[in-house]
Amino acid sequence: DTAVSQTPKYLVTQMGNDKSIKCEQNLGHDTMYWYKQDSKKFLKIMFSYNNKELIINETVPNRFSPKSPDKAHLNLHINSLELGDSAVYFCASSQSPNPYNEQFFGPGTRLTVL
Amino acid sequence: GNSVTQMEGPVTLSEEAFLTINCTYTATGYPSLFWYVQYPGEGLQLLLKATKADDKGSNKGFEATYRKETTSFHLEKGSVQVSDSAVYFCALKGFQKLVFGTGTRLLVSP
Repeated sequence: DTAVSQTPKYLVTQMGNDKSIKCEQNLGHDTMYWYKQDSKKFLKIMFSYNNKELIINETVPNRFSPKSPDKAHLNLHINSLELGDSAVYFCASSQSPNPYNEQFFGPGTRLTVL
Repeated sequence: GNSVTQMEGPVTLSEEAFLTINCTYTATGYPSLFWYVQYPGEGLQLLLKATKADDKGSNKGFEATYRKETTSFHLEKGSVQVSDSAVYFCALKGFQKLVFGTGTRLLVSP
């Protein structure tokens, strides 16, 4: 009964490849997020979707493209991977964008670009 | 814009010691404040939260009070355990966006 799940858990790939990370939540939430955690543990939001619509798009290279086929899923596709993309990527969800709502995080996907 | 500043770690304590991890914030409006914990190899879990001034969040022996006058949300625990070793993130949320501090690693030795 995992609340927020991500696949894969680990992803090792070569520079220049294209890869996707999938996220699913079974909490019935309307809002989903992608975060990037760098090697120093710094966490930064990348994107947020509410009811399948993009509401937050931080300064992220356009090689990163989120896709939300429905409210329960938010996938992250990355084109032309670079060394600097190596990080742990966390998906999260919340009932709504409201500041009072807790965000629930997935277990993370560790991406290593060689 | 909104921002969160946390004390740099690591914080190294012996079991049963008193813990304080400082957190201050800058924000417009009335954000909610959170502490998240990340155990080794895992994702983030909400530890506690406070949604308005003077609220105290508490969970698992940890506490933090939302202090608007000092723009602070310091995390405290009276007696830490080895199992509390983790990275602790202070965060604030205005409309839509959760902004994290840089995280503070806590190491508790027996």
